[in-house]
Amino acid sequence: KNEVEQSPQNLTAQEGEFITINCSYSVGISALHWLQQHPGGGIVSLFMLSSGKKKHGRLIATINIQEKHSSLHITASHPRDSAVYICAVAHQTSGSRLTFGEGTQLTVNP
Amino acid sequence: SAVISQKPSRDICQRGTSLTIQCQVDSQVTMMFWYRQQPGQSLTLIATANQGSEATYESGFVIDKFPISRPNLTFSTLTVSNMSPEDSSIYLCSVELGFEQYFGPGTRLTVT
Repeated sequence: KNEVEQSPQNLTAQEGEFITINCSYSVGISALHWLQQHPGGGIVSLFMLSSGKKKHGRLIATINIQEKHSSLHITASHPRDSAVYICAVAHQTSGSRLTFGEGTQLTVNP
Repeated sequence: SAVISQKPSRDICQRGTSLTIQCQVDSQVTMMFWYRQQPGQSLTLIATANQGSEATYESGFVIDKFPISRPNLTFSTLTVSNMSPEDSSIYLCSVELGFEQYFGPGTRLTVT
């Protein structure tokens, strides 16, 4: 079993839909990151969470430390949101080193 | 924030040759990380590079295959040595600044 599991693996939505991507992890963490990777390969950090909820524009990220679960929500999705979304955790014992989920491929159709 | 650049952005190399990838950060950082992303896979940490000390390699990665230099607080190189087609991947460097993670744009390597 992977330490970080994401669901779904692939997600297709229509423009304007509300989207949720889930991340579960099995280890103690100091932080959880949500990352966005576009087809060219470059990665952008969206959120870093250690508790609660963060919002940036149409993106919302939540984390439940007790349940070892995080969600990334996209409101009013747009085709430019099409990308791979990756959940990554920093172990409590390994500082800045990250363990990555396998990513969720999101496609938003116009 | 930190801005990271990598060179080259992509390359096609022949089996048996070596390629050195450069990573430049616009801020001084203690640790730099090198990741590999094989086709269709997520990222895997190759090694952690601290300035002034030997890099720390993850299980499955060795210095002879992936030598790393870290001459100062803003620069690092990763060499992929004696390449085989299995080394075809995206290689990314990353830094932590404050509590944020920043990633370079990646180097897309194809080995023929």
